[in-house]
Amino acid sequence: NAGVTQTPKFQVLKTGQSMTLQCAQDMNHEYMSWYRQDPGMGLRLIHYSVGAGITDQGEVPNGYNVSRSTTEDFPLRLLSAAPSQTSVYFCASMGTYEQYFGPGTRLTVT
Amino acid sequence: AQKITQTQPGMFVQEKEAVTLDCTYDTSDQSYGLFWYKQPSSGEMIFLIYQGSYDEQNATEGRYSLNFQKARKSANLVISASQLGDSAMYFCAMREGYETGNQFYFGTGTSLTVIP
Repeated sequence: NAGVTQTPKFQVLKTGQSMTLQCAQDMNHEYMSWYRQDPGMGLRLIHYSVGAGITDQGEVPNGYNVSRSTTEDFPLRLLSAAPSQTSVYFCASMGTYEQYFGPGTRLTVT
Repeated sequence: AQKITQTQPGMFVQEKEAVTLDCTYDTSDQSYGLFWYKQPSSGEMIFLIYQGSYDEQNATEGRYSLNFQKARKSANLVISASQLGDSAMYFCAMREGYETGNQFYFGTGTSLTVIP
């Protein structure tokens, strides 16, 4: 049982490049979400999804896109990377009460 | 206004003693959930405990308990018999609109150091 997996673990991008952070879960959870974690700011919700085909914006959605074509996968796309998007990104999926987090992706934009 | 406020950036506790980490929240929803997570230096997020807004009893999970005071909108985490492995960042979180499904908000965290 893999839980929530994220790839890659580390990524360096140049300003203006685009990329997709992958997230997958094998627990058949409907609710999935993406967060970014910056020093001193805790985790902030970027986008979330309550099921396949349904996504919504969180607190800090600008510069990011998501889609949810299957229950298992919830990729996060950076359209045109900016240095302000340097952060650690966590994907999570939620069961009845507990939210399971992936191991995180450390992204640096130069 | 902040949805989740953790006013203690850093805390120290002696090994084997109890410690309380403070959390207050702000919501107008009647149905919501409150969570605590632990983040050790390795970076992973570990779920500790959950309290639903309609739960009348305080949640407990082993050495963790959540002191839920609804009228004061506080959800403090109590760790009993602290261990060296409890040294970590601790985050309080809230999920609003539980039945209509919805957003999570996290506090800025409290760094706990357990002293031998």
